[in-house]
Amino acid sequence: QVQLQESGPGLVKPSETLSLTCTVSGGSISNSFWGWIRQPPGKGLEWIGYIHYSGSTYYSPSLRSRAIISVDTSKTQFSLKLSSVTAADTAVYYCATEGGRGYKWGQGTLVTVSS
Amino acid sequence: DIVMTQSPDSLAVSLGERATINCKSSQSVLDSSNNKNSLAWYQQKPGQPPKLLIYWASTRESGVPDRFSGSGSGTDFTLTITSLQAEDVAVYYCQHYYSPPHSFGQGTKLEIK
Repeated sequence: QVQLQESGPGLVKPSETLSLTCTVSGGSISNSFWGWIRQPPGKGLEWIGYIHYSGSTYYSPSLRSRAIISVDTSKTQFSLKLSSVTAADTAVYYCATEGGRGYKWGQGTLVTVSS
Repeated sequence: DIVMTQSPDSLAVSLGERATINCKSSQSVLDSSNNKNSLAWYQQKPGQPPKLLIYWASTRESGVPDRFSGSGSGTDFTLTITSLQAEDVAVYYCQHYYSPPHSFGQGTKLEIK
């Protein structure tokens, strides 16, 4: 059973870059898609993007200009970088995996954008 | 991009009764390569990540009680909870995974009447 765990700073300053890492355990990263989804406090779910282990990436149109997702197969990790953040980027960020049967999720990590 | 719309936004059902949540996609999510609908349902309780309940529109994830069922095809889908239990109080989301971006419905809040 694949397990996912997010890690990274819980506080980021406006205009800076948010960086999160997801560590995969209990399975291989060399298949499926590996993605990020976020949820602002009290709101719904927003799909950010995902990466195939081969390196192909897909992003939400609204975040494409600011988001970069990368994978490190040697460390069984994948990462999200979101640049030029504002208060609107404050959210719980989830990493997740999709293999054609819906998404399986990590526990999520709250990132607050504030000076 | 595919837009997902759920109805209703909130729902109150008595214990032991049936709850029905609808989800409509702006275009078909039927994958012709396997004749399966790329549609999932999730349950989210406060402070927890979403939990996968149903994939391929009607296949129950392992360990999910059989009172949860999914139906529909193409653009119209339904999540049904028969005999509502107190632990089913949550927000429910549909999501398509047909082609990126894999958008979600806005969520349906299910409460006990």
